Amino acid sequence: DADVTQTPRNRITKTGKRIMLECSQTKGHDRMYWYRQDPGLGLRLIYYSFDVKDINKGEISDGYSVSRQAQAKFSLSLESAIPNQTALYFCATSDSARQGWQPQHFGDGTRLSIL
Amino acid sequence: DQQVKQNSPSLSVQEGRISILNCDYTNSMFDYFLWYKKYPAEGPTFLISISSIKDKNEDGRFTVFLNKSAKHLSLHIVPSQPGDSAVYFCAAGAGTASKLTFGTGTRLQVTL
Repeated sequence: DADVTQTPRNRITKTGKRIMLECSQTKGHDRMYWYRQDPGLGLRLIYYSFDVKDINKGEISDGYSVSRQAQAKFSLSLESAIPNQTALYFCATSDSARQGWQPQHFGDGTRLSIL
Repeated sequence: DQQVKQNSPSLSVQEGRISILNCDYTNSMFDYFLWYKKYPAEGPTFLISISSIKDKNEDGRFTVFLNKSAKHLSLHIVPSQPGDSAVYFCAAGAGTASKLTFGTGTRLQVTL
């Protein structure tokens, strides 16, 4: 089983709809992140959470919201989807308990298309 | 304002040869650098990292070089194998925040 699981893997929806993307992890990591990937733009950080009570905006948070329901779960919501939110979305985790920089571990992504 | 840049969108290398992927950064506060590899329909996977106190880190066929004065890092893959064909992202972080800034990626194709 994947350590970082994203659901759904693919979603097609219409403009104006509310959408939630889910992320769960079994790695026991305290830190979780949401990114979007667009062609030619790499990965950009939307929101991140360092623990259940800590939520922070990333570089492109407008139009998105998040919820950290538990240490293992971090969901991303698009309140009213618009076509330019069509992208590949990735969830990632990292562990602050270990010394030094720890790499982030990614899920396999959710491909979201907004018509 | 692209703080981490990968100026080559693609690179083609013959099997057995060296692949060199480059990355430039502008933020002098970055003190940790990582390379990720991404296959289609999968998430990025961590490959190798280097902290700013070093100028080289090796792991098997993969070596990352850091030139702080030039704000440049490179990933060398020797020898290149067909399974190395993927998109490679460099990423950088500062302090203990653990937030990463990613480059735009370089697609590597290793040909037979």
